[in-house]
Amino acid sequence: DGGITQSPKYLFRKEGQNVTLSCEQNLNHDAMYWYRQDPGQGLRLIYYSQIVNDFQKGDIAEGYSVSREKKESFPLTVTSAQKNPTAFYLCASKARGGTGSFSEKLFFGSGTQLSVL
Amino acid sequence: QKEVEQNSGPLSVPEGAIASLNCTYSDRVSQSFFWYRQYSGKSPELIMSIYSNGDKEDGRFTAQLNKASQYVSLLIRDSQPSDSATYLCAGPIYNQGGKLIFGQGTELSVKP
Repeated sequence: DGGITQSPKYLFRKEGQNVTLSCEQNLNHDAMYWYRQDPGQGLRLIYYSQIVNDFQKGDIAEGYSVSREKKESFPLTVTSAQKNPTAFYLCASKARGGTGSFSEKLFFGSGTQLSVL
Repeated sequence: QKEVEQNSGPLSVPEGAIASLNCTYSDRVSQSFFWYRQYSGKSPELIMSIYSNGDKEDGRFTAQLNKASQYVSLLIRDSQPSDSATYLCAGPIYNQGGKLIFGQGTELSVKP
């Protein structure tokens, strides 16, 4: 079945540590996104990528880094510079339509809950 | 002004009532909108999309878009306890390659 796989489901970070959240999709989608969700709040965009080897900062990119070396993979690293990393992280993807513009439908992974030890 | 803003919750309605969820948006948002439902600890799922002024109905759900007022709403008729969730509205930013901006969400509780 096609979909987006995020791992791990739960992750704990020690102070000063970098951690990497995995996101893999087999939908052949061009665009991929990382969102952060804090309790009782909506989704805030961290980074997004519309094509391999290219990505852009979202609204809250500080303390995070990404790479897009393969179409199906968009890992997110939470660096030690992110002082308040506890949140629910969601990866999502979109297809590009025949006209070149992006489809409106966003597909989500099941999320990773990151907590600080 | 936030690009997409939802009415504050939580919203509590009795079973069988109509739940009304509202969103306003700024000029930076392209005028197509999406309503997502999110159960606690789960990822959002798309329940409605609307692109044109007016109403769009799908089962117990009706989305309403008023472009002049920059306002979009979701009505849930005959609310059920299983509708209890957080509802997020979202719209794409103009000329930013499908970048979707979400409102802060409204938590709905349907009481039996």
